[in-house]
Amino acid sequence: QQQVKQSPQSLIVQKGGISIINCAYENTAFDYFPWYQQFPGKGPALLIAIRPDVSEKKEGRFTISFNKSAKQFSLHIMDSQPGDSATYFCAASIFGNQFYFGTGTSLTVIP
Amino acid sequence: DVKVTQSSRYLVKRTGEKVFLECVQDMDHENMFWYRQDPGLGLRLIYFSYDVKMKEKGDIPEGYSVSREKKERFSLILESASTNQTSMYLCASTSPATSGPNTGELFFGEGSRLTVL
Repeated sequence: QQQVKQSPQSLIVQKGGISIINCAYENTAFDYFPWYQQFPGKGPALLIAIRPDVSEKKEGRFTISFNKSAKQFSLHIMDSQPGDSATYFCAASIFGNQFYFGTGTSLTVIP
Repeated sequence: DVKVTQSSRYLVKRTGEKVFLECVQDMDHENMFWYRQDPGLGLRLIYFSYDVKMKEKGDIPEGYSVSREKKERFSLILESASTNQTSMYLCASTSPATSGPNTGELFFGEGSRLTVL
């Protein structure tokens, strides 16, 4: 059973547009929700993360929106750039001891 | 610069061979993980370890075993490789929330792409 469900599987966005990736979870014990970015041939790297006591976190062009009651969180990439083309994974964790990943979203930003 | 190093980036093995994938981290992390990455399936946990000489099964442990003799090293072993184990294998490490300066961040290696013929 998938602990974290992610959509869409792939996304194509024009340069300058907004990319939105959504995730949903069931386990209310999760206390940390990171997003990872992976370029071809590389391992995933932490992009941005949020804890459930806040509803939004912004770092530059990247924003996480978190809806605790709906058990959903999303990644918004503003002013998307070709260099943002990568695979994005959402995840949920309990005390840093267990990490559950979504199935990934392949983002392509067209110049 | 913190690092998780996977010794083999690309391997080609034959069915039935024993395969060792090595992972070393230099961050003194207690927790280490082995994931398998396949298109459309995301990252699936094979095994993890909270401490030296201990291990816990993840979601897909069948056909795999692990070894953690030292804190910094976590090895994944395929006793008898099969074609359905052709995949990208990712090692990761972190500190648990109960100890040390913890950001909750999971650090990944670059991955080992295994092809079993």
